[in-house]
Amino acid sequence: QTVVTQEPSLTVSPGGTVTLTCACNTGAVTSNYYPNWFQQKPGQAPRALIYSTTNKQSWTPARFSGSLLGGKAALTLSGVQPEDEAEYYCLLNYGGAWVFGGGTKLTVL
Amino acid sequence: QVQLVQSGAEVKKPGASVKVSCKASGYTFSKYGVSWVRQAPGQGLEWMGWINAYNGHAVYAQNLQGRVTMTTDTSTSAAYMELRGLRSDDAAIYYCARDIDHDVDYWGQGTLVTVSS
Repeated sequence: QTVVTQEPSLTVSPGGTVTLTCACNTGAVTSNYYPNWFQQKPGQAPRALIYSTTNKQSWTPARFSGSLLGGKAALTLSGVQPEDEAEYYCLLNYGGAWVFGGGTKLTVL
Repeated sequence: QVQLVQSGAEVKKPGASVKVSCKASGYTFSKYGVSWVRQAPGQGLEWMGWINAYNGHAVYAQNLQGRVTMTTDTSTSAAYMELRGLRSDDAAIYYCARDIDHDVDYWGQGTLVTVSS
């Protein structure tokens, strides 16, 4: 069974930089997994941020960027704002089926 | 603008079926796929499956095979997800999302499904 793993929680100071990662138990994450990233705030539907590893949605703030880092998919927030406090989920594609990571709760403190 | 509007909340008994609709607007429905995702209370997101709106070809998550059916109606730009044999752990918010070329972008507002005897 494919398991996608994210950091359960991270804390960052306002204005700081933080990187969230997304790993899978089958080996290194590559661009062939087409990583997507989503932000979800309490009581809201998820909001798409990044698709196919690095591509931003038209509404994605410039401070968000996607990459591959050390065999994992990564989401980096540079110049974190208080409104970035949320749960973040990655999504990986395995030959037509998607699998979500467990999510990272990002606290801005 | 692209919108996905889902049907309202449902309350079902264990063993029953539920069918959630997702009405799309603002884009050519048949050119995109639709993924269905659910989220149990206090839990993470779970991908349930995907359907090609053009030809109706669907791919389902292994753990739901045999209980879930996804369909589309291109004449009304609507997608449907039916889940049968409801159990208490099927209680969740169900979302539809537009999905094409490995880009899952626009999401519906979610439909709360409660399973209770």
